[in-house]
Amino acid sequence: DVKVTQSSRYLVKRTGEKVFLECVQDMDHENMFWYRQDPGLGLRLIYFSYDVKMKEKGDIPEGYSVSREKKERFSLILESASTNQTSMYLCASRGGSGGRNEQFFGPGTRLTVL
Amino acid sequence: GEDVEQSLFLSVREGDSSVINCTYTDSSSTYLYWYKQEPGAGLQLLTYIFSNMDMKQDQRLTVLLNKKDKHLSLRIADTQTGDSAIYFCAETPVYNQGGKLIFGQGTELSVKP
Repeated sequence: DVKVTQSSRYLVKRTGEKVFLECVQDMDHENMFWYRQDPGLGLRLIYFSYDVKMKEKGDIPEGYSVSREKKERFSLILESASTNQTSMYLCASRGGSGGRNEQFFGPGTRLTVL
Repeated sequence: GEDVEQSLFLSVREGDSSVINCTYTDSSSTYLYWYKQEPGAGLQLLTYIFSNMDMKQDQRLTVLLNKKDKHLSLRIADTQTGDSAIYFCAETPVYNQGGKLIFGQGTELSVKP
């Protein structure tokens, strides 16, 4: 059974803190994604990675960075958390390229920044 | 740029049919998708349709694609309370960097007994 796991389901941080969100997939997928989900806005892509050490900005990268040192792990970093980064964060992975584009999602991390 | 639009809420009675609508802007999309998000969970691929098809049926699910109007719909027959979830329409942009998907806002389906 395919699996994408995220390090925390719920996280509460203070403004200015550095925050790490971890995502691990066990499907040997090349591509991994970080989204944030906000009511009425759907999912918006923050960053994605198509290979180890490779990354591309998505639609809303400001205030975030990412790290992919190993194929199975993709980390999202908030260098200095702000209240407007309170959101649900979803990680996804996908194998190969072209064709049907099924992304497999983790359960999400609900981050609250106070 | 690309845009995918959905209405935010839909409420139906158990046993009725549900129709969730979506419009998109990128006419070059090769695949269009419906994802389902149950409460407290991530998204799961529900079904998809290839752009050269008009309709796809999978048990209680029917997907209709009108390429001329760039309109996609998902019909759920005999809707059950377990179908209550958020449904996202998504498309793959033609340039498809790494398999990027563009999602709609999500339609929250509420099924009343």
